[in-house]
Amino acid sequence: QLQLQESGPGLVKPSETLSLTCTVSGGSISSSSYYWGWIRQPPGKGLEWIGDIYYSGSTHYNPSLKSRVTTSLDMSKNQFSLKLSSVTAADTAVYYCARVCYDGSGYPLRFDPWGQGTLVTVSS
Amino acid sequence: DIQMTQSPSSVSASVGDRVTITCRASQGISRWLAWYQQKPGKAPKVLIYAASSLQSGVPSRFSGSGSGTDFTLTISDLQPEDFATYHCQQAHSFPLTFGGGTKVEI
Repeated sequence: QLQLQESGPGLVKPSETLSLTCTVSGGSISSSSYYWGWIRQPPGKGLEWIGDIYYSGSTHYNPSLKSRVTTSLDMSKNQFSLKLSSVTAADTAVYYCARVCYDGSGYPLRFDPWGQGTLVTVSS
Repeated sequence: DIQMTQSPSSVSASVGDRVTITCRASQGISRWLAWYQQKPGKAPKVLIYAASSLQSGVPSRFSGSGSGTDFTLTISDLQPEDFATYHCQQAHSFPLTFGGGTKVEI
């Protein structure tokens, strides 16, 4: 059974870079069938898609965050990572990683499964 | 960006009720819509994808319908474990966007 687990600092100072890692078990991130994505949820608010990455390195990013986001893969550790630079209090959220299931036409059908999420607070 | 609007934002219901949640897209998205269930402190879980396809392992009391701009999630015979927040998500174009959520409560 595929499982994902986020890890990283729970507190980041304003203007610094948020760095999170998602460790995948029970499956390989080098699979050609899936992308690997990030979604966040500010406390008490809705979900916001951040972006995703394919085993080849191909990415999709939310334009609202694109200038600050970088994603990467570490095949040897079966992990993928998120970096968000120049953070502010508005970036305080629970960050989730998830597998992204695309159909043959290139539509991202669903996020499944999700990691449990990790709260990142931006504060000095 | 495609805006997703859910209604109602919350609904009170009882065990055994039939509950319908609506999601409207700001432009046509064909059938590229997913529904998720989220319980407090937990990650969302996919229920429905491609508007009406039931995710494996999800009870058949959950169903989805719609195409274009208007979609519905129906929970028939509401069970205690169904009290949660439900989110829709369009999968038609980037950036992927979610609705604001509908809380189903007692």
